[in-house]
Order: sequence, then structure tokens, then C-alpha cells
Amino acid sequence: KNEVEQSPQNLTAQEGEFITINCSYSVGISALHWLQQHPGGGIVSLFMLSSGKKKHGRLIATINIQEKHSSLHITASHPRDSAVYICAVGRDTPLVFGKGTRLSVIA
Amino acid sequence: GAGVSQTPSNKVTEKGKYVELRCDPISGHTALYWYRQSLGQGPEFLIYFQGTGAADDSGLPNDRFFAVRPEGSVSTLKIQRTERGDSAVYLCASSLTASGGAGYNEQFFGPGTRLTVL
Repeated sequence: KNEVEQSPQNLTAQEGEFITINCSYSVGISALHWLQQHPGGGIVSLFMLSSGKKKHGRLIATINIQEKHSSLHITASHPRDSAVYICAVGRDTPLVFGKGTRLSVIA
Repeated sequence: GAGVSQTPSNKVTEKGKYVELRCDPISGHTALYWYRQSLGQGPEFLIYFQGTGAADDSGLPNDRFFAVRPEGSVSTLKIQRTERGDSAVYLCASSLTASGGAGYNEQFFGPGTRLTVL
């Protein structure tokens, strides 16, 4: 069993829809990262959080340490949000990554 | 302000050859990380440096892989006797520091080097 599991693996949404991507992990962590990877490979860090909730524009990330679960929400989705979203967890050891969720937002 | 850069962007080589992949981190970042990403998978950790020294090389798959960072800035990942299974995108990232642990700092990623071993 992978240490970091993401669901769904693939997601197609209509423009404007509210989107949720989930991440569950099995190890103790000090921080959870949400990353965005566009076609062509470039990875951008969206959030790093260790408790509670963070918001940046239309993106919201939450984490429940007791349940070892995090969610990434996108409000009012747009075609430019189409990308692979990757969850990664870290502590005093290097990051362990999920396989990613491929999101396609259709106009 | 330049981000993390990696060269070459693409490298095609033949089985058995030696390759070097270069990473230029963000200026002033003391921590540098190497990852490998196979198609359809998330990145996998290879090695990370804090300054000039390799703080953790537990992700290197075997002794054909080696990385250096002699002056605490640019790093080179070296792969000897390449095999077809080494084909992947090799990603480099840097962070201002690795205090609190290697997984506890925001990392800035380069565009990657796509390595193809024929």
C-alpha cells in the first residue's frame, strides 16, 4: 500500500464547478504539500500546511491530522486549472508523493 | 529573479553510456533535492543536499547513480552505465533551508530533464 493515496485518479469537470481532490496518508508527518504540475512537467508549490486550512484565491486546502487526510478544493473551476495535482507528505525525511490527480476542466 | 534551472531539457543516450544532468538552484537556497518521475507516477526522492554535503542519499537506486554539489550551489546528477529503466524525468528542487526536516520546507522545482535511454 502506498504511503500517500490520492483520489480520484482522473477528474473531468465543467467550467464553474466546485472541485475536491482528496489525499490520505499512512505515516506521521510534519507537513503536507499540494503541488500543481502542468503538461510539460513544471511543478509549482500551491500549499504547505501542517494544520487547519489555507486559502489562496480560488484554491483552498484543508488537513485533518487525526484522520491523516487532506483535501484540495477549487472553486469556480476554469480550463486553465487543468493540470495534475500532487499531494506530498514530509517530516524529517524527504517528501513522499502521491501519484497525482489529473484534472480536466472543460469550457 | 531566476527560478531553478536544469540542463539539458532533453537527453537521449544509448544503453551503457554515461550522462550528467545539471541543476542550478535559486540563489541563496541551501537545500537542493533530486527526484525522478516515471510516466504516470509521482516524483520519487533520490538525494538531497544541505550545503555541499549529501544529507540523505537513501533514494539513489544503486551505485550507478551519484550526485555532487561541490560549492553548495550547482549540483550534478551522474548516471553511469545507463539502462533503459533509467528513462524518466529527473526533477531538481531547492528550498531556502532544510531546517525542521527535508519535508518541512517549501520547495521550488525546476522544469526537469527528460532522459531517454535507447
